[in-house]
Amino acid sequence: DAGVTQSPTHLIKTRGQHVTLRCSPISGHKSVSWYQQVLGQGPQFIFQYYEKEERGRGNFPDRFSARQFPNYSSELNVNALLLGDSALYLCASNRDGNSPLHFGNGTRLTVT
Amino acid sequence: ELKVEQNPLFLSMQEGKNYTIYCNYSTTSDRLYWYRQDPGKSLESLFVLLSNGAVKQEGRLMASLDTKARLSTLHITAAVHDLSATYFCAVDPTDMRFGAGTRLTVKP
Repeated sequence: DAGVTQSPTHLIKTRGQHVTLRCSPISGHKSVSWYQQVLGQGPQFIFQYYEKEERGRGNFPDRFSARQFPNYSSELNVNALLLGDSALYLCASNRDGNSPLHFGNGTRLTVT
Repeated sequence: ELKVEQNPLFLSMQEGKNYTIYCNYSTTSDRLYWYRQDPGKSLESLFVLLSNGAVKQEGRLMASLDTKARLSTLHITAAVHDLSATYFCAVDPTDMRFGAGTRLTVKP
């Protein structure tokens, strides 16, 4: 079975630009979560989607948005990029509320 | 706001030694997870603890959960170099929140 896949793997953007990150969950997983991980820190929760509806939102500005599609894949959008948005963005999926998250390999975003 | 605190944040061990990593959390939750992250890699699930008193073991690692104390421990027995990684605990009252991680280095 394919795991969680994310694209692109690396991305370089300049301040003020917009970025879209993509994620495909494991087949059969209806929940997708997004995390931001800055080097040396734990993953910070951004969004959770379940059955195409937002189930949770972390403490991130409105420049961050996401959506989930009918096939359960998801996009994370970040507008007006700041240098501080440079991080590894992780997507994770799980089957239900009692199961662990399965993480993708992440998208490394660098903002210059 | 939910807080998940791990200690120590950095741990350097000799091979063959035992040690415990602690995870405290600030809200009621019956679900706690441990993950491992190797440098430059993504996170991998190690243990899922779903009730008070739950204990799970895999190889040299054993995790336990005390929901009344809001405390989980990850015990390392007779450490080997391959266990060098960063270990995260995470609590899931509604969405999964992670601690800052414990960076473990096992030296020969």
